[in-house]
Amino acid sequence: QKEVEQNSGPLSVPEGAIASLICTYSDRGSQSFFWYRQYSGKSPELIMFIYSNGDKEDGRFTAQLNIASQYVSLLIRDSQPSDSATYLCAVRGSGGGADGLTFGKGTHLIIQP
Amino acid sequence: DVKVTQSSRYLVKRTGEKVFLECVQDMDHENMFWYRQDPGLGLRLIYFSYDVKMKEKGDIPEGYSVSREKKERFSLILESASTNQTSMYLCATRQVNQPQHFGDGTRLSIL
Repeated sequence: QKEVEQNSGPLSVPEGAIASLICTYSDRGSQSFFWYRQYSGKSPELIMFIYSNGDKEDGRFTAQLNIASQYVSLLIRDSQPSDSATYLCAVRGSGGGADGLTFGKGTHLIIQP
Repeated sequence: DVKVTQSSRYLVKRTGEKVFLECVQDMDHENMFWYRQDPGLGLRLIYFSYDVKMKEKGDIPEGYSVSREKKERFSLILESASTNQTSMYLCATRQVNQPQHFGDGTRLSIL
C-alpha cells in the first residue's frame, strides 16, 4: 500500500513569515511529486511539481525533494493571507494502477495577518 | 491555459436515481480521471481512462461506471444513487508525463 502522509494541521504562520509544509511517502520508487493548493469549496490547483532530488523555486514557492529520506517539502516565503488554504501533496509511484498518483489528505495552512 | 469543465457545480438527486456527471476538456489530453473527495478521507480515485473507449477501475469503483465515447468527454454514472455517494466529485485530465489538472468540481447531494 503506497502511502503519502501529511500533518493535517492547522498550521498557523504569521504574515510575512516562511510557511513550511512537509509530505512523506512510502514508495521508494516514486518518481514525480506535486503540490496542489485547495481553497475551501474549490478544486485543487497545481502550484509546483518536482521530478529530481534537490530544490525547485517558482516565485515565493520552493519545493524541496529529499529522496534518501523520502520526503518532499513546500516552502512559502513572505506568506500572505491569500495563501491560507489546504495544501495537497501528490506522489506518482513506480508503477501500478492509474496514473500511479497517490494524494495525501492535505495540510490546512492559516496565515495570520 | 488548461480548461476542464464539469457540467454542474451543485446537484441534488434522490436515492435510486441514475445520475450522470459530465467532464469536458479542450486540450486534447489522453488521460482523464474521476475522483471523489470527502472530509478526513482525502481524494480517492473512482475510475480513469487512458484513451477513447478505454476505462480502468480506480480504488473505489463500486456503484459507479464511466463512459468515454469521445476524447474530450468523460462521464461518471451513478447507476442507482445512494446517500453514501453524497460527496464532492472532481474530474482531472493530463497529457502523458504531465501533471493532472482539475475541473471546478461537482458537489452532489443524494437525498
